[in-house]
Amino acid sequence: KNQVEQSPQSLIILEGKNCTLQCNYTVSPFSNLRWYKQDTGRGPVSLTIMTFSENTKSNGRYTATLDADTKQSSLHITASQLSDSASYICVVSDTTSGTYKYIFGTGTRLKVLA
Amino acid sequence: DAGVTQSPTHLIKTRGQQVTLRCSPISGHKSVSWYQQVLGQGPQFIFQYYEKEERGRGNFPDRFSARQFPNYSSELNVNALLLGDSALYLCASTGRDRGLNTEAFFGQGTRLTVV
Repeated sequence: KNQVEQSPQSLIILEGKNCTLQCNYTVSPFSNLRWYKQDTGRGPVSLTIMTFSENTKSNGRYTATLDADTKQSSLHITASQLSDSASYICVVSDTTSGTYKYIFGTGTRLKVLA
Repeated sequence: DAGVTQSPTHLIKTRGQQVTLRCSPISGHKSVSWYQQVLGQGPQFIFQYYEKEERGRGNFPDRFSARQFPNYSSELNVNALLLGDSALYLCASTGRDRGLNTEAFFGQGTRLTVV
């Protein structure tokens, strides 16, 4: 079972509409949770970073929320644009055993249609 | 200022061959991490290096190895390539060791195809 699970796997919306992507994780302890946007065949680009003590973080039309008690996060995209079509990946930083690594979810593939 | 650069961008190798992938972190960043991303999946952690020392290792076979140079650039080596090694290999750099709450910047990746 993946330590970071995302839903839905894929999503199609019309331009201008809002959408919310979900991330559930079991990684513990963790130092931060990040959302990345990844265009096909390209490296991920950071959208937001939240520590376990933060509840929400915004970056333009992107707003991420975090509930550390239920181990859930969401990414809300407002007034979607065609350029938002990409994979959105939830990443949790695993700090167990003295190592430091990122645990990636499998992503939500978003398609915005005109 | 250049971001994280990886080379080559694309590579085709035959089963059993060896491959070396290269990464140059952002200037001033001392930590480099490597990830494997199979098509349709999220990236999987392979290695983290800081100040030329290995600080973390993912669940990959010994065919995978890496090193970091004094200028903080890094190489990922994969021996005895298998078809399943075909993936996008990503390099990320951060400014500090543990990178606690610091930004991780990714390169564009190297697309490796094993035939």
